[in-house]
Amino acid sequence: EAGVVQSPRYKIIEKKQPVAFWCNPISGHNTLYWYRQNLGQGPELLIRYENEEAVDDSQLPKDRFSAERLKGVDSTLKIQPAELGDSAVYLCASRTGGEKLFFGSGTQLSVL
Amino acid sequence: GENVEQHPSTLSVQEGDSAVIKCTYSDSASNYFPWYKQELGKRPQLIIDIRSNVGEKKDQRIAVTLNKTAKHFSLHITETQPEDSAVYFCAALYSGSARQLTFGSGTQLTVLP
Repeated sequence: EAGVVQSPRYKIIEKKQPVAFWCNPISGHNTLYWYRQNLGQGPELLIRYENEEAVDDSQLPKDRFSAERLKGVDSTLKIQPAELGDSAVYLCASRTGGEKLFFGSGTQLSVL
Repeated sequence: GENVEQHPSTLSVQEGDSAVIKCTYSDSASNYFPWYKQELGKRPQLIIDIRSNVGEKKDQRIAVTLNKTAKHFSLHITETQPEDSAVYFCAALYSGSARQLTFGSGTQLTVLP
């Protein structure tokens, strides 16, 4: 079974530039999460989707961050414009109706 | 919301010794507690989990204990090996409608050969 797939693996951009991350969850997993992981810290939730609906986006900085999950499968997380403090690993995760959460390899973003 | 605290932040043990990592949570409505292992540059991987109706769970060299009254849970690794070296994260899942998984800050475990 393929796991959660994310791309790109690494991204380096200059501040004020836009950036987008893509996630393909495990087939059949209706719930999708985007987490941000700063160096030396645990993952922090940005947004949670149930199918195509964003049911928890309270921690998403909506002035510059946006996300979508068209057709309830793949998802894209965008930052525009990026700031220096956005440098982190962005993790996508998915699960079915159970509790077990499976993570992708993440996108390591460096904002210069 | 839920708050998860994890200790210690770093832990070094000799190969063959045991390692224990402890977490506390704040919301008594949390009912699922997974542990993830994350090697450098890799994804967090689920290694063991426990539900609130169980006090202890074991899988080979790894065990997790849960004390609901005190709201804390612990990861125990016995007979540690160098390949156990990684960052370990605990987490707590709130059982309410939010179903949000909150993570601890992680423990860097180093197993010295």
